Amino acid sequence: EVVLTQSPGSLSLSPGERATLSCRASQSVSSGYLAWYQQKPGQAPRLLIYGTSTRASGIPDRFSGSGSVTAFTLTISRLEPEDSAVYYCQQYGSSPPNTFGQGTKLEIK
Amino acid sequence: ELQVVETGGGLVQPGGSLRLSCAASGFTVSTNYMTWVRQTPGKGLEWVSALHGDGTTYHADLVRGRFTISRDNAKNTLYLQLNDLTIDDTALYYCARARGTWRHASYYFDSWGQGTLVTVSS
Repeated sequence: EVVLTQSPGSLSLSPGERATLSCRASQSVSSGYLAWYQQKPGQAPRLLIYGTSTRASGIPDRFSGSGSVTAFTLTISRLEPEDSAVYYCQQYGSSPPNTFGQGTKLEIK
Repeated sequence: ELQVVETGGGLVQPGGSLRLSCAASGFTVSTNYMTWVRQTPGKGLEWVSALHGDGTTYHADLVRGRFTISRDNAKNTLYLQLNDLTIDDTALYYCARARGTWRHASYYFDSWGQGTLVTVSS
């Protein structure tokens, strides 16, 4: 069974800086089927990226995804205070499908 | 505007049943992949069930045989029937529209509701 491990568990950065979030899979994620979500307190997850690097509708280009096989990255450039949230990766290219990482908490101080 | 609103959560005893509803607006449930995803502090996010436009249903191993996903096309509403509930089913249940792939029962989730809380406790 594929396990997604996200790192770091949390990070604190300043506005204007760049955040780099990692998601590693225990098995190969085929077809680059890896998505990223943002969840703010009290809100539902929001799709940011799908297919490793395709931004969802309405997502600013400050958010970018990259990677392949077992190593994936979400990069958020020019951080803004509203980027404070928990970020989850999700794979839909391995078995069993549709599993999520445990999340990375990003604080903008 | 695309929107889904979940209702039906509540407190239920172990072994009990509950039916969750997800009313959709701005799109048609019957022509989309529709799913339920649950979230707990301990286990995080877990995909639960899916219903395809052609009526095909899929369930995660943890709930197969206990949960049933269905829809009412006239009401543009998705349902999740939860039976034989256990304490481990305690979670916030989200309804989400999904995008499928060529892979079996594989999705990413592009629109989410705010969730409805199911608490299983004696």
